Amino acid sequence: KNEVEQSPQNLTAQEGEFITINCSYSVGISALHWLQQHPGGGIVSLFMLSSGKKKHGRLIATINIQEKHSSLHITASHPRDSAVYICAVSGSLTGTASKLTFGTGTRLQVTL
Amino acid sequence: GAGVSQSPSNKVTEKGKDVELRCDPISGHTALYWYRQSLGQGLEFLIYFQGNSAPDKSGLPSDRFSAERTGGSVSTLTIQRTQQEDSAVYLCASSLVPPYEQYFGPGTRLTVT
Repeated sequence: KNEVEQSPQNLTAQEGEFITINCSYSVGISALHWLQQHPGGGIVSLFMLSSGKKKHGRLIATINIQEKHSSLHITASHPRDSAVYICAVSGSLTGTASKLTFGTGTRLQVTL
Repeated sequence: GAGVSQSPSNKVTEKGKDVELRCDPISGHTALYWYRQSLGQGLEFLIYFQGNSAPDKSGLPSDRFSAERTGGSVSTLTIQRTQQEDSAVYLCASSLVPPYEQYFGPGTRLTVT
């Protein structure tokens, strides 16, 4: 079983829809990261959080430490949001507070 | 300011040759990470530097892989006697002292023929 699991693996939405991507992890962490990877490969860090909720523009990330679960929400989705969204954790019980352990990603396509 | 840069952006090499991949982190970032993204697979951790020392090398897949960092800045990942399974995108990231947000470079796409 992977330490970090994401769902869904693939997601297609129409422009304007509210989108939720889920991430569950099985180990203790120091932080959870949401990353965005556009076609062409560049990875951008969207959020790093260890508790509660963060918001940036149309993006919202939440984390429930007790349930070991995080969600990434996109409000009023737009075709430019089409990308792979990756959940990653740092600071597992067997690791360090440094390296990231990654989920397999959610491929999002937003159509007009 | 400048972000994380990597060179070369693409590298094609013959099986058995050695390759060196370079990473220039964001100025002032003491932590540097190497990751690998293979086709059809996810991202995997290779090695972590704090300053010039590497407290976590647990992700290096074999002794053909090594990395160093000099002056607390530039890092080089070396793969000796490359194999076809080494073909992947090698990504570098840097951050302030962990756990902090990591900033990724554009990657080096390595193809071993």
